Amino acid sequence: DAGITQSPRYKITETGRQVTLMCHQTWSHSYMFWYRQDLGHGLRLIYYSAAADITDKGEVPDGYVVSRSKTENFPLTLESATRSQTSVYFCASSPLQGYTDTQYFGPGTRLTVL
Amino acid sequence: AQSVTQLDSHVSVSEGTPVLLRCNYSSSYSPSLFWYVQHPNKGLQLLLKYTSAATLVKGINGFEAEFKKSETSFHLTKPSAHMSDAAEYFCVVSGAGGGNKLTFGTGTQLKVEL
Repeated sequence: DAGITQSPRYKITETGRQVTLMCHQTWSHSYMFWYRQDLGHGLRLIYYSAAADITDKGEVPDGYVVSRSKTENFPLTLESATRSQTSVYFCASSPLQGYTDTQYFGPGTRLTVL
Repeated sequence: AQSVTQLDSHVSVSEGTPVLLRCNYSSSYSPSLFWYVQHPNKGLQLLLKYTSAATLVKGINGFEAEFKKSETSFHLTKPSAHMSDAAEYFCVVSGAGGGNKLTFGTGTQLKVEL
C-alpha cells in the first residue's frame, strides 16, 4: 500500500532492553522525521533525515539512535529503554525542505517501557 | 526561534454550533502555519495550511483559519460542528529560517455533544 507505515503499532518492553521502531514510506520523499507525543507537550522532534545517510538531531535526541541506509526506511532505535521513553512515536515524511511544505504522518507506535 | 500557544486545552460544543479553536504563534521569520487533526488512535492529518498567500485559508471538512499578523493569531473555525469533528487539533508553525522543522502546540481536545 502506498503511504507511510510504522511497525509495530504497539510495543511493550522492559527497562534496559533495545527496541527498534520501523518507518517505511513509498513516496520517495527526501525528508523523514521522528517525533514523540506526550501529554502536555504536543509533538517533539527527535531526529530527522534529509536523505539517505544524512541525519541530524532534533529537540529531544538523547537515548535514541537513527539510521537511513535507504530513502524509504528510517528506523528509530532506543538502545537501552527507560520508563521516560514511554510515549507515542510518530514518523513523518516530506518531499522538500521548504518551510511551507507539508509533512505526512504515519499512524504511530505506542511504546510502553515497564 | 518559534513557538505556538493553543489557548484552550479542551473545547466542548454542541452539534450544529460553531467551532473556534484558538492559536497564537511567535516566529522570528515569516511563518507557515498549519492545523493538523488527530482522531483517536490515528496519525495526524493536515486540515489546512497558510503559506503567505491568502490570509483566509480553507481546509478540508468545512474548516477554515485566518492568519492575522497584527494579532499573531491563526484561529481555526467551522460554522457548524459535526460529531465526527471530535478529535485533537494541533496548531503548528514553521519558519523560513528553520527549514521544514515544525513546532507543535500542545493540542486542543474538541468534544462535540448531541
